[in-house]
Formats: sequence, C-alpha cells, structure tokens
Amino acid sequence: NAGVTQTPKFQVLKTGQSMTLQCAQDMNHNSMYWYRQDPGMGLRLIYYSASEGTTDKGEVPNGYNVSRLNKREFSLRLESAAPSQTSVYFCASRRQRQESNQPQHFGDGTRLSIL
Amino acid sequence: AQTVTQSQPEMSVQEAETVTLSCTYDTSESDYYLFWYKQPPSRQMILVIRQEAYKQQNATENRFSVNFQKAAKSFSLKISDSQLGDAAMYFCGSGTYKYIFGTGTRLKVLA
Repeated sequence: NAGVTQTPKFQVLKTGQSMTLQCAQDMNHNSMYWYRQDPGMGLRLIYYSASEGTTDKGEVPNGYNVSRLNKREFSLRLESAAPSQTSVYFCASRRQRQESNQPQHFGDGTRLSIL
Repeated sequence: AQTVTQSQPEMSVQEAETVTLSCTYDTSESDYYLFWYKQPPSRQMILVIRQEAYKQQNATENRFSVNFQKAAKSFSLKISDSQLGDAAMYFCGSGTYKYIFGTGTRLKVLA
C-alpha cells in the first residue's frame, strides 16, 4: 500500500546507545518531517526537510540528527539515547507548497523506550 | 515564533449534539495552511479538514466545519451530529514548509 513506512515499530534502548529510525514514502513527496509525541505535549516537530538535499531544525532538535538520503527516505538518529527521548516518533511527508493545500501523510509511529 | 495553541485539554459531547474545539495560532508567514487531524486510540493520524489561509470561505467536510478568523488567528473545529466514532484526540496544525501542531484536545462522546 502506498504511504509512509516507519521502521521499527517498537524499540527498547539503554541509555547511551545509538539508534536510527527509518522512514520511507512512495508518494513522490518533496517534504518530509519527524515529530515526537508525548502525553500532554502534543506533536512536536524535531526536524524537517522541505525538499531533497535540505534539512532544517524544528521545535525540539537537540539530541537528534537527520539525513535526507534521497527523495524517498528521511532517517532520524539518536547518537546517545537519553530517558527523556522516550516517546512515540512519527514521520510524515507532503507535496510541495506550490501544489495547493496538500496535507501531511503520517506513518504509524515508532514507540521508543529508553531505560 | 510560530505557535499553535489548543486551550481545551479535554471536551465531552453528547451523542448527536454539536461541539466546538478551539485553536489559535501565530505565524509570520503570509501564505500558510491550517489543518485538523484526528488521532484515535490506534495512534493513526487522520486528516479531518484543511483550510488555505488566503481563502475567506470556511472549509466544510460533511459533519465537520471550521470557523476561520484570520485577523484573530483563530481556527476552531465544529463537529455536528457527534458520533461515538468521533471520540479521539484532535490536533490543530499550521504551517507553510514547517508544520507544527498544538497539544491536542481529547474528545469524549457520551452515549
């Protein structure tokens, strides 16, 4: 099925370990996003990539790095995981701004626990 | 700074009644978009309704409509004839390239 695919769906890490969350979309979208969702905090933007080859910080970028590998893939890396990064992570994608009010399409999320 | 504020952490509505969820935003962009997403317990993010800021006409999608007040930077969601399946978290969002969301409103629908 077409859409946004996130891997893994669940992961448990120990403090200090590194981890890369993968995201791929097959809708030929230009823009991609990483969010984290915490109780009472809503969805907070970590990083986004408006187009292939560009990345920009969102609201909460500290402790994360991203790579826009190609048009399809946008990965999120935790270099040294901390308990405060325990969260549900969502990847999203959308078409360019010029293509009308196209909404974001979201993946199913990755539940990450850091002990 | 770009912000989205949802001041109602939780709302309840009787089945078949109407409920309005509030959202205010702030942005320096002149051309932007506004969205409401629904998140049921499955955690899936489902688009409910969208609005272009340059359009004065309020968007409607079946039982869902918005009251868009651009000068007041307000974008509320009205759900008419509420159904049990409407129970979920609702997130208001805004952006152009950079999209951010509010903290969400949990809607309970009472039978």
